Amino acid sequence: AQRVTQPEKLLSVFKGAPVELKCNYSYSGSPELFWYVQYSRQRLQLLLRHISRESIKGFTADLNKGETSFHLKKPFAQEEDSAMYYCALDLLTGGGNKLTFGTGTQLKVEL
Amino acid sequence: SAVISQKPSRDICQRGTSLTIQCQVDSQVTMMFWYRQQPGQSLTLIATANQGSEATYESGFVIDKFPISRPNLTFSTLTVSNMSPEDSSIYLCSATPQEGKAFFGQGTRLTVV
Repeated sequence: AQRVTQPEKLLSVFKGAPVELKCNYSYSGSPELFWYVQYSRQRLQLLLRHISRESIKGFTADLNKGETSFHLKKPFAQEEDSAMYYCALDLLTGGGNKLTFGTGTQLKVEL
Repeated sequence: SAVISQKPSRDICQRGTSLTIQCQVDSQVTMMFWYRQQPGQSLTLIATANQGSEATYESGFVIDKFPISRPNLTFSTLTVSNMSPEDSSIYLCSATPQEGKAFFGQGTRLTVV
């Protein structure tokens, strides 16, 4: 069965420090993976997806099929990065976005 | 980017009653999805709302408890029926108007007393 695991509920880093939010998945098919972010009092929004191989707000994530991981990284954390981050797996091909979410990691960037 | 409007944004309801949540997308989409986020937990998919056919429910969710309508390609409703305090959650709708990019409504925060 498909599953997304985010082992850390809370991650606290200092401003300017590197950030890595961990995500592991289990899925028998070819995975399509996403990172979603929810800032305080805002709706859930897409941060990035693995097929785009893009960097958004300084964040990158590389799909590692061997380790079944899709960790989110940023070299230098900013205060505005404080938010809830969810890793998600798409259960539909073709971009249907029927998503299985991890439990989320609260990122807190301290001054 | 696409806009998904969801209402009500919050409600406090008596146990045993029902609440219908509306979701409007500003463009036509094939599928819409309904999720539940219980306090302190992640999002769980309730069902897929298909236009022109019955909704497809995930394990643990049934039509009698969560009836869904999808009258056209831009609109869907989710009803939470015969509510109990355990139904207190945030309910979110989602759609993918652009391939590979799911957008979410702002959520409906439901409290059952």
